[in-house]
Amino acid sequence: DSGVTQTPKHLITATGQRVTLRCSPRSGDLSVYWYQQSLDQGLQFLIQYYNGEERAKGNILERFSAQQFPDLHSELNLSSLELGDSALYFCASSARLAEQFFGPGTRLTVL
Amino acid sequence: GIQVEQSPPDLILQEGANSTLRCNFSDSVNNLQWFHQNPWGQLINLFYIPSGTKQNGRLSATTVATERYSLLYISSSQTTDSGVYFCAVEPASGGSNYKLTFGKGTLLTVNP
Repeated sequence: DSGVTQTPKHLITATGQRVTLRCSPRSGDLSVYWYQQSLDQGLQFLIQYYNGEERAKGNILERFSAQQFPDLHSELNLSSLELGDSALYFCASSARLAEQFFGPGTRLTVL
Repeated sequence: GIQVEQSPPDLILQEGANSTLRCNFSDSVNNLQWFHQNPWGQLINLFYIPSGTKQNGRLSATTVATERYSLLYISSSQTTDSGVYFCAVEPASGGSNYKLTFGKGTLLTVNP
């Protein structure tokens, strides 16, 4: 158990819908990262937050957004979903200048 | 951006055999991590090893940062070692963010 929690574990929805994925980092970790794992793109970095502020963006679509709240949990919002958004979404957390620990992931299926 | 290449892409072993997985990266790194993704999809931290050598039970890893590669050794493999092994790096030129760039992984199958 990495100490990072993600909910829900599985999510099945339809094209055009909007979903929210939730992540709670390890106790004391200020950085939260979101990654997407798909069959064709592999594991890709989406976005990073540090203590509530966006720090870096990767290959995140404009239809996707994220935020980190004062209690340090984070949410990833995916809207206008397409079939190609089906993937495993991971959240990770780290203390500053330290290794990243990954949550169990949310498996999103868009039908 | 930084390139991460892992080899071999696939590896099939008999239980009890040893193996070496390699990760080459194209630029200087601040961080290098090895992960095991089990059949249920969980990413499990194996090593945080930007340089040097570490050992944890039957697993050990070595990173030679000056030559831009890392090796993961698995000894006396067990069926539970099956899964995908990922190398991920944080480039030194990334500024103040710590995003990881992943290789494509090595799919390891250990047969009983």
